[in-house]
Amino acid sequence: EIVLTQSPGTLSLSPGERATLSCRASQSVSSNNLAWYQQKPGQAPRLLIYGASSRATGIPDRFSGSGSGTDFTLTISRLEPEDFAAYYCQQYGSSPCSFGQGTKLEIK
Amino acid sequence: EVKLLESGGGLVQPGGSLRLSCAGSGFTSSSYAMSWVRQAPGKGLEWVSGISGSGGTTDYADSGKGRFTISRDNSRNTLYLQMNSLRAEDTAVYYCAKVPRRSGTYYFDYWGQGTLVTVSS
Repeated sequence: EIVLTQSPGTLSLSPGERATLSCRASQSVSSNNLAWYQQKPGQAPRLLIYGASSRATGIPDRFSGSGSGTDFTLTISRLEPEDFAAYYCQQYGSSPCSFGQGTKLEIK
Repeated sequence: EVKLLESGGGLVQPGGSLRLSCAGSGFTSSSYAMSWVRQAPGKGLEWVSGISGSGGTTDYADSGKGRFTISRDNSRNTLYLQMNSLRAEDTAVYYCAKVPRRSGTYYFDYWGQGTLVTVSS
């Protein structure tokens, strides 16, 4: 099973700043099959990015994904108040799929 | 509009059983694989089980093999998870999640709101 390690565990930033979240895989993720999800307290996860860099339907363009192989990044260009939440990466290139442990993005 | 609604969670004693259901709408059930994903209190996401659109192929995480059974009724657009021999470590919110293709390991484009399973004496 591929282990995903997200960093940092917690990121404290202010609205308007740029956020960079990292997801590192224990082995290469096949075909860049990596997704990112946002989860707010008490809510279900929401798909943001799939295929490492493709935005899901309705996701604002301030969210972008990049990376390949074992290193992936989610970037939020200018933080809006509603962006403060937990973020999870998921690899689906090999079975079983697996999730990172999450990054909590909090208001500074 | 795609909607997923889980039900069936609750408090159960260790060793007990529970069946979760997930009613879907807004999509053709047989065309999409589905999965169950859980989240223990204050923890991250863990894939539990998946099933192809036809129901002919199923897969399980090691944590549930031999204890959990996933199934679906496409005529009712409903997904199920039968959980037996429950343990304290199965305590979690269980989400059903839709896969944007008919089969295989993939990402999840829609999620239900979750149902809480608590295993405790």
